[in-house]
Amino acid sequence: KQEVTQIPAALSVPEGENLVLNCSFTDSAIYNLQWFRQDPGKGLTSLLLIQSSQREQTSGRLNASLDKSSGRSTLYIAASQPGDSATYLCAVTQGGSEKLVFGKGTKLTVNP
Amino acid sequence: EAGVVQSPRYKIIEKKQPVAFWCNPISGHNTLYWYLQNLGQGPELLIRYENEEAVDDSQLPKDRFSAERLKGVDSTLKIQPAELGDSAVYLCASSLGQGSTDTQYFGPGTRLTVL
Repeated sequence: KQEVTQIPAALSVPEGENLVLNCSFTDSAIYNLQWFRQDPGKGLTSLLLIQSSQREQTSGRLNASLDKSSGRSTLYIAASQPGDSATYLCAVTQGGSEKLVFGKGTKLTVNP
Repeated sequence: EAGVVQSPRYKIIEKKQPVAFWCNPISGHNTLYWYLQNLGQGPELLIRYENEEAVDDSQLPKDRFSAERLKGVDSTLKIQPAELGDSAVYLCASSLGQGSTDTQYFGPGTRLTVL
């Protein structure tokens, strides 16, 4: 059974700092890995999707990497801003299905 | 373009009462998902539809939960009777169903409180 773990559970940083969120998964037979953002009381917004054959994806100040063989992914946020404060969720799509398996998330607070 | 629409946004009921949630996916999205999200946890899949067909309902507690997707568009998730442990956020998502490049788009969710 696929298990997704995110470390740390919570992170507080001052504005402007670069930061890394970590995600690990137990079964490397995945279709893709996605990073989502969830604001309080709202649904999830997809940030980046990395296909199993890719190593990384970038969007603006966000960069996500994938090392499928070791079961790890990182989300790098450059020059953090208070508006980046949210919970960030990592999810993998199991090979052969459309099923997303989520981690518990990392709650990020960026202090002005 | 409108996103995934869910209603109601909030629902408070007493235990043993029935409750229903409604979802309207993004136009043209063939795949629809219902997720359950408990506080401090990631979403967990309850059921996935491809058009009108439920292709994965292995995580749906069928003794009290039911779902339908009429005409392959809107969907309704029902709980009858509700239990205290059903208090959670119920999320609906939709996607084009394009395999490894598929992105799921989530609605805002319905927060259910069972008293």
